[in-house]
Amino acid sequence: AQRVTQPEKLLSVFKGAPVELKCNYSYSGSPELFWYVQYSRQRLQLLLRHISRESIKGFTADLNKGETSFHLKKPFAQEEDSAMYYCALHIYSGAGSYQLTFGKGTKLSVIP
Amino acid sequence: KAGVTQTPRYLIKTRGQQVTLSCSPISGHRSVSWYQQTPGQGLQFLFEYFSETQRNKGNFPGRFSGRQFSNSRSEMNVSTLELGDSALYLCASRHGTYEQFFGPGTRLTVL
Repeated sequence: AQRVTQPEKLLSVFKGAPVELKCNYSYSGSPELFWYVQYSRQRLQLLLRHISRESIKGFTADLNKGETSFHLKKPFAQEEDSAMYYCALHIYSGAGSYQLTFGKGTKLSVIP
Repeated sequence: KAGVTQTPRYLIKTRGQQVTLSCSPISGHRSVSWYQQTPGQGLQFLFEYFSETQRNKGNFPGRFSGRQFSNSRSEMNVSTLELGDSALYLCASRHGTYEQFFGPGTRLTVL
């Protein structure tokens, strides 16, 4: 069965410091991984997906199949980055159906 | 476009009752998925509907059911409520193959 692990419940960093949110996955198929973010009082939204290999709000994430990891990184944290971050495995379940398997999330707190 | 809407936003029920939650997807989105979010288990997939058909179901008991209407609006129903059903229930709609757009959720409290 598929599984996503985010080892840190809470991560506190100072403004301007680098950030790395860890994510490891377990999946027998070809993985497709996403990062979702939830800012205070806002709904869950997609931050980035590994296939697009883009940088969103200064965040990047590289899929490492050897280490089964998809860590989220940003070189310089900003206060507005404070939020809950969820790593998710996007799985095709057949018959045109997709589902997301989420990690339990990491709360990022950026200290001014 | 208006985002995904969910009603009601808050519900309080007692054990043994049943509840129905509603989700209106983004216009043009035909896929609707439901997730349960709890502090202990995190976000867990409940089921997905597409064109009024359930295409996939997560590992939840039969007390959890849903349906989708011809206008893509979806409802989920939980019968014989238990204390452990207290959670935030999120609905998400999708048009393409990957990005799901989430609603604000319905907070269900079972007393």
